[in-house]
Amino acid sequence: AQSVTQLGSHVSVSEGALVLLRCNYSSSVPPYLFWYVQYPNQGLQLLLKYTTGATLVKGINGFEAEFKKSETSFHLTKPSAHMSDAAEYFCARYGNNRLAFGKGNQVVVIP
Amino acid sequence: DTEVTQTPKHLVMGMTNKKSLKCEQHMGHRAMYWYKQKAKKPPELMFVYSYEKLSINESVPSRFSPECPNSSLLNLHLHALQPEDSALYLCASSQYNTGHLLTEQYFGPGTRLTVT
Repeated sequence: AQSVTQLGSHVSVSEGALVLLRCNYSSSVPPYLFWYVQYPNQGLQLLLKYTTGATLVKGINGFEAEFKKSETSFHLTKPSAHMSDAAEYFCARYGNNRLAFGKGNQVVVIP
Repeated sequence: DTEVTQTPKHLVMGMTNKKSLKCEQHMGHRAMYWYKQKAKKPPELMFVYSYEKLSINESVPSRFSPECPNSSLLNLHLHALQPEDSALYLCASSQYNTGHLLTEQYFGPGTRLTVT
């Protein structure tokens, strides 16, 4: 089955430090990939997406992700973590008329 | 307006009750979705409507009954639920391109359901 893998359910990062969340996909065809964020007691909000074209994708709140076909990866980064970045982050790929989500990363920001 | 609204925000119901969840969007989207999300887990797709017709049912038990009265509204009727059905129920919508549902999905805030 075509899917995405997110490693490490909990990610702790110091305020001001780099945020790096890893996402790898399995697919024999070019995938459509998304990163969503979910704040406590809220729905999911789209951070960014990759469909075609530029492999470095910029999203909201200072996040960006780079599509690397050779590594089958779509890692999410933010240069400097803020306390407001504490949330659950989901990588997802589109296929078979639906989104398939990774297991998610719970990001904790340490002051 | 890029908002998907869901009511109620919270719902507590007994196993013999009948209740409904409502979802509304005014973005002109022609695809609407119901997801179920358990704590610390990703959303699980339940149903997809495209142009007010049910296009995907992920083998959801019949105690969950979806309805799409028009292009802006999506309901989920609940009857004889079990305690394990307690979860956050998310609604989403997206544009619909011929042959596939690829565009970003906009999610509502969800209804927190507790079955007692």
